[in-house]
Amino acid sequence: AQKVTQAQTEISVVEKEDVTLDCVYETRDTTYYLFWYKQPPSGELVFLIRRNSFDEQNEISGRYSWNFQKSTSSFNFTITASQVVDSAVYFCALSVNTGRRALTFGSGTRLQVQP
Amino acid sequence: DGGITQSPKYLFRKEGQNVTLSCEQNLNHDAMYWYRQDPGQGLRLIYYSQIVNDFQKGDIAEGYSVSREKKESFPLTVTSAQKNPTAFYLCASSVPGLAAYEQYFGPGTRLTVT
Repeated sequence: AQKVTQAQTEISVVEKEDVTLDCVYETRDTTYYLFWYKQPPSGELVFLIRRNSFDEQNEISGRYSWNFQKSTSSFNFTITASQVVDSAVYFCALSVNTGRRALTFGSGTRLQVQP
Repeated sequence: DGGITQSPKYLFRKEGQNVTLSCEQNLNHDAMYWYRQDPGQGLRLIYYSQIVNDFQKGDIAEGYSVSREKKESFPLTVTSAQKNPTAFYLCASSVPGLAAYEQYFGPGTRLTVT
């Protein structure tokens, strides 16, 4: 079975601070896929990134960056120079090609960015 | 505009009544999913369908039923057997239902049962 842990329930920062959201995963599959989604107050989940288990390169997209480390089973998400619009709940998720191939979600981290 | 629609946004029902939540997609995706979200929790899988006329139970299927008669549509019925139906329900789809592909989500339906 798969498991995703987001230990940080809620984080509050002041605008322009950098913030890192942690994600730790568990799976016995050697091929797997990791995702981050953003859920703004409207409720709809917005896809941010997908990373497969064979690609440990870190990725940067504007103010967002992701650090994937297989050795620690972590896939952390950093927002640089946070903005009020970044306030949302962020979910880390995992899927594998065996079985049902659906997403297993972490419990989410609520990020509050204060002006 | 391609996307997933869920209607209505808010739904209120009396205890003991069945209620059907709509999910329609025009993305031509093969796979569709239903998730439930409770306050402060992640999403839990209710049912999923990889292809028309086929669907499988997820982790919390008890008290729910689905159908997949058309590729575009995957309605979810919350029956009176569901002990705690008040929650936020999200529908998703993906191409072609492989783990490598991201799922796209609808705006959700917030169901309140009193």
